[in-house]
Amino acid sequence: ETGVTQSPTHLIKTRGQQVTLRCSSQSGHNTVSWYQQALGQGPQFIFQYYREEENGRGNFPPRFSGLQFPNYSSELNVNALELDDSALYLCASSRTPYQPQHFGDGTRLSIL
Amino acid sequence: AQKITQTQPGMFVQEKEAVTLDCTYDTSDQSYGLFWYKQPSSGEMIFLIYQGSYDEQNATEGRYSLNFQKARKSANLVISASQLGGSAMYFCAMRVPQGGSEKLVFGKGTKLTVNP
Repeated sequence: ETGVTQSPTHLIKTRGQQVTLRCSSQSGHNTVSWYQQALGQGPQFIFQYYREEENGRGNFPPRFSGLQFPNYSSELNVNALELDDSALYLCASSRTPYQPQHFGDGTRLSIL
Repeated sequence: AQKITQTQPGMFVQEKEAVTLDCTYDTSDQSYGLFWYKQPSSGEMIFLIYQGSYDEQNATEGRYSLNFQKARKSANLVISASQLGGSAMYFCAMRVPQGGSEKLVFGKGTKLTVNP
């Protein structure tokens, strides 16, 4: 039990649509990172937020964006969905950017 | 660029036996950290063990130990006394700098099947 919850568990969208995934971190965890895990692959870093500011970004296009709120919740938004966006999206939180990350169960996103 | 390589797509082990999962890494940083995570079919990444690059002793956490060979850039996970509930994907990951923070770089994983 990591105290990190993600919603929804599963989601089905069509190409071109927009989606918002949500994550709720443990109290006191000011850092949240998002990862994309395609089928049969390891997770890939999308970006990190620290105290409501983007604090690092991986090799993902601008249509992947995020928000972090003062109540330790956060969102991952993806616009203009493509078939390759089908993946498990993992949220991970930590107290600071340099401390161990605790992962949620993920949201499985399918694009038709 | 930092990279993690896991060369075993799948491994099989009998219950109560030991198994070693291989991991090699590539980095030019002097300070880094190595992790192993377990991912059941439910999707959650479960932290197993951590080794810092300056740690002189190999890390151990219960039935998990990390065989850290710095000169060979390897960080193999050793699971003693495998359990049936241990069937899952196992990922090796490295902590690397990313702007003003750190990110985790993962390998492709090894699927471990524990047989009765």
